[in-house]
Amino acid sequence: AQSVAQPEDQVNVAEGNPLTVKCTYSVSGNPYLFWYVQYPNRGLQFLLKYITGDNLVKGSYGFEAEFNKSQTSFHLKKPSALVSDSALYFCAVRDISFSGGYNKLIFGAGTRLAVHP
Amino acid sequence: DTEVTQTPKHLVMGMTNKKSLKCEQHMGHRAMYWYKQKAKKPPELMFVYSYEKLSINESVPSRFSPECPNSSLLNLHLHALQPEDSALYLCASSQDPGQGGYGYTFGSGTRLTVV
Repeated sequence: AQSVAQPEDQVNVAEGNPLTVKCTYSVSGNPYLFWYVQYPNRGLQFLLKYITGDNLVKGSYGFEAEFNKSQTSFHLKKPSALVSDSALYFCAVRDISFSGGYNKLIFGAGTRLAVHP
Repeated sequence: DTEVTQTPKHLVMGMTNKKSLKCEQHMGHRAMYWYKQKAKKPPELMFVYSYEKLSINESVPSRFSPECPNSSLLNLHLHALQPEDSALYLCASSQDPGQGGYGYTFGSGTRLTVV
């Protein structure tokens, strides 16, 4: 079965420091991986995706993610955190076992990022 | 237009009420989705519409009834809900239901409270 794991419930970072939000995946075949961010009482916003190609993927708001096939990881990173980055972050993988070819995403449990001034 | 619009933003309803949630997108996306999200939890898939036809029902109770009147509009009709149905209901769309490379575009959600 396809799955993603986000091992940290919360990540605390000081403003200006680099941040990493971890995600590991378990899929059969090539993974389609996504990161979304959710601000309070809002829907999820797409940050970036990995389908194929370069292992370092650049996305919105200065975020990037590194795909590591040997470690089955897709960690989200940003060189310098902002207080406004504080939100809930979800890693997701496409469920390729989903019959009919429909685009079903499986979400991780989420990681709350808190950036302190 | 690159948005998914959901109305209302907030809804309080009694257990005997009938209400509807509305979702609209004008991006030409051919797949639309309803998700339910409880506090501090990931979204859980409820329904998938592909080319205006119901493709997936994730064993959702019949008190939730989806409808897709056209390619831009998705409704979720609610009837005889329970307090545990209180949640954030998210609508999403994607460009092609058969292509896994496309992520979702989410609406801001409807915060539903059942009293």
